[in-house]
Amino acid sequence: AQRVTQPEKLLSVFKGAPVELKCNYSYSGSPELFWYVQYSRQRLQLLLRHISRESIKGFTADLNKGETSFHLKKPFAQEEDSAMYYCALDGMNSGYSTLTFGKGTMLLVSP
Amino acid sequence: GAGVSQSPSNKVTEKGKDVELRCDPISGHTALYWYRQRLGQGLEFLIYFQGNSAPDKSGLPSDRFSAERTGESVSTLTIQRTQQEDSAVYLCASSLELRASDEQFFGPGTRLTVL
Repeated sequence: AQRVTQPEKLLSVFKGAPVELKCNYSYSGSPELFWYVQYSRQRLQLLLRHISRESIKGFTADLNKGETSFHLKKPFAQEEDSAMYYCALDGMNSGYSTLTFGKGTMLLVSP
Repeated sequence: GAGVSQSPSNKVTEKGKDVELRCDPISGHTALYWYRQRLGQGLEFLIYFQGNSAPDKSGLPSDRFSAERTGESVSTLTIQRTQQEDSAVYLCASSLELRASDEQFFGPGTRLTVL
């Protein structure tokens, strides 16, 4: 079975501080990992995916297969980064795409 | 055009009543997904559609839940004889195709409260 664990419900940092949102997964095959974000009063949206190896809004995430982790990092947090962040895994069960989400981490960036 | 839309945005119902939730995906998106988010929980996958077909209904919580899609467009999620544990935000998403590489675009959700 596939599982995504986000150990922190809440992460509170000051503006300018580094941020790391933890995500660990359990999956026997080669998963595709994603980070989704939900800003206040907005809908859930894709932030980044591991396959793209891109940096979005200063955030990066590296897939570590040895540690089965996909932590989201940003060197200097901004107040506008405050949001709910969800890590998600797509295991392509039976050949179709379904996302398994973690429970989410609320990031609060204080001035 | 516009993104994924869902209606109603909020629904309050009494235990035992039936409810119907609607999702309008992005035009041209062949894949459609339903998720549920209960308070303090992550998003729980319920069912997906490829076109009008839902090959796997095993994610639906019980036989009180059903879903259909017509015209490769609108989808409805029906919950019969609602229970308090059905209270949650129900999210719909659509993607161009049923591929992990295709981004899923989410609707704003329907908040269901069962009294």
